[in-house]
Amino acid sequence: AQTVTQSQPEMSVQEAETVTLSCTYDTSESNYYLFWYKQPPSRQMILVIRQEAYKQQNATENRFSVNFQKAAKSFSLKISDSQLGDTAMYFCAFMKHGKAGTALIFGKGTTLSVSS
Amino acid sequence: GAVVSQHPSWVICKSGTSVKIECRSLDFQATTMFWYRQFPKQSLMLMATSNEGSKATYEQGVEKDKFLINHASLTLSTLTVTSAHPEDSSFYICSARVGSGVLRYNEQFFGPGTRLTVL
Repeated sequence: AQTVTQSQPEMSVQEAETVTLSCTYDTSESNYYLFWYKQPPSRQMILVIRQEAYKQQNATENRFSVNFQKAAKSFSLKISDSQLGDTAMYFCAFMKHGKAGTALIFGKGTTLSVSS
Repeated sequence: GAVVSQHPSWVICKSGTSVKIECRSLDFQATTMFWYRQFPKQSLMLMATSNEGSKATYEQGVEKDKFLINHASLTLSTLTVTSAHPEDSSFYICSARVGSGVLRYNEQFFGPGTRLTVL
């Protein structure tokens, strides 16, 4: 069975600073996807970034980037130039490749607070 | 594109009544839909996986007779909480996965959630 672990329940950062959220996972699969989702106070789940396990290059989306270490089963999220709107709960998620009915497996989440 | 809606967004009901929550994919066909439950400040807990035209697959510990899921079309899945009790109060979220096409088939798109309060 797959597991996703987020070891930081809460984090805080000031505007314009950089913050890194940690995520580790456990799987015996060789092909899979990893995601970071953001859930702001509105509670709408928003996809921040995704990474295919077969790709060595780390994914980036504007101010968001990941450090994907496949051998270490680590998938951290770096947020650069933090903004007040980044305040949210962030979930790391794992999904096996291939099967249409495969669900996302979420970590417990990290609550990020950005202050001015 | 890839919009998922849920209705209602908020519902209050009396104990013992049933409540139906709808999840619709507005601009794509969803071969698979998922239902999650979330308590305050906690993660999403998968309740069931729903495939169009077939019975839902429930996660261990989820009562299938209490949480009835129907996926009658490629754009609509419903979750009915039968004989609701206060402990069923929670935030329910659906997501839809694209079967094929121009959208990335391995992504899930989430609805805005439904807050259920049982008095």
